Amino acid sequence: QKEVEQDPGPLSVPEGAIVSLNCTYSNSAFQYFMWYRQYSRKGPELLMYTYSSGNKEDGRFTAQVDKSSKYISLFIRDSQPSDSATYLCAMNGSGNTGKLIFGQGTTLQVKP
Amino acid sequence: ETGVTQTPRHLVMGMTNKKSLKCEQHLGHNAMYWYKQSAKKPLELMFVYNFKEQTENNSVPSRFSPECPNSSHLFLHLHTLQPEDSALYLCASSHGRVAGNEKLFFGSGTQLSVL
Repeated sequence: QKEVEQDPGPLSVPEGAIVSLNCTYSNSAFQYFMWYRQYSRKGPELLMYTYSSGNKEDGRFTAQVDKSSKYISLFIRDSQPSDSATYLCAMNGSGNTGKLIFGQGTTLQVKP
Repeated sequence: ETGVTQTPRHLVMGMTNKKSLKCEQHLGHNAMYWYKQSAKKPLELMFVYNFKEQTENNSVPSRFSPECPNSSHLFLHLHTLQPEDSALYLCASSHGRVAGNEKLFFGSGTQLSVL
């Protein structure tokens, strides 16, 4: 079983839709949860950073962590064509190395 | 120049060639990383340098050789690569390297094709 599971998509939605992107994980020791956005031919950029459970909101983006279910989500409200990208979830690993573990990424296309 | 810069953007090399990837960060960070991104796979951490010292090598084959002359520059020397090494190689930096919860700043990557 992979430590982090993320549906690669692609996910296609109309402009203005609410988008829900999700990751599940298996390691209950994970504490830090991140979402990175990667545009085509670019490197990932940090979008949201959360610690432990709960919600965090930044503009049209909301990150949600449910540690009891080992499930994290990223919601995008009023989605725009400029949101079209690949979204990577990431969380810190176990053990002394504390390696950041990434999901496979979900490709999102927002159609005008 | 700001952020993390990687050169070249694209590289095609034969299996017997030797080439180097370069990364430079202008953020004043102390930790630098090499990641490999293959199609339909998660990012794979290759190497970590903290204050110029290599702190992690995630079982990377010896045909990949990193070099970090200072906190701002990172190189990845490549030799006798295999076609399966074709991927996007990403450099990243962070303020420090503590416990895996660092905020990473990535370059745009070098798209490598090994023929």
